Amino acid sequence: RKEVEQDPGPFNVPEGATVAFNCTYSNSASQSFFWYRQDCRKEPKLLMSVYSSGNEDGRFTAQLNRASQYISLLIRDSKLSDSATYLCVVSQGTGNQFYFGTGTSLTVIP
Amino acid sequence: EAQVTQNPRYLITVTGKKLTVTCSQNMNHEYMSWYRQDPGLGLRQIYYSMNVEVTDKGDVPEGYKVSRKEKRNFPLILESPSPNQTSLYFCASSSRSSGRNYNEQFFGPGTRLTVL
Repeated sequence: RKEVEQDPGPFNVPEGATVAFNCTYSNSASQSFFWYRQDCRKEPKLLMSVYSSGNEDGRFTAQLNRASQYISLLIRDSKLSDSATYLCVVSQGTGNQFYFGTGTSLTVIP
Repeated sequence: EAQVTQNPRYLITVTGKKLTVTCSQNMNHEYMSWYRQDPGLGLRQIYYSMNVEVTDKGDVPEGYKVSRKEKRNFPLILESPSPNQTSLYFCASSSRSSGRNYNEQFFGPGTRLTVL
């Protein structure tokens, strides 16, 4: 069983739409949770950390449900520039063992 | 400019010919990692280092070696590359005390390796 599972998509949405991505993780001892963004053939970049209380950064909202071992990312008012692959990431152990989901592909259409 | 650099960016080699991919960071981060990214499998951690002379295996360490003799450098060594090591490799660094988020990883630009 994979440590982190994501729906690969692709998600094709019109500009202005709201889109949600989900991710599940298998190890209940996982410590930290993140969403990264990766543009084609480029390095991943941190989008936001995910906290137990939920957190928001502009149009992006992340939620963590430890009981269900579930992480979500909500993007409101999608922009063309949001087109990318979104990676769900969890850390375990000393906090430096990272497990990545395979990513969810998003294309925002004009 | 704060960054992680990798060299080379592209490499085509043949089976069995030893190679080293260098990674360097200028942010004084204590943590560094190597990943490989393959279609359908995502990024998988090969090795990580928590500080100088402290390294540990990640998810897929077979066929790789690393060393951490200096804080800023974390080279990845393939002693005898094989075609199944053809992949996109990323180096990353992080620190519990820096970045806008706790334990944020900063990635290098990637090294695309082809082993014939």
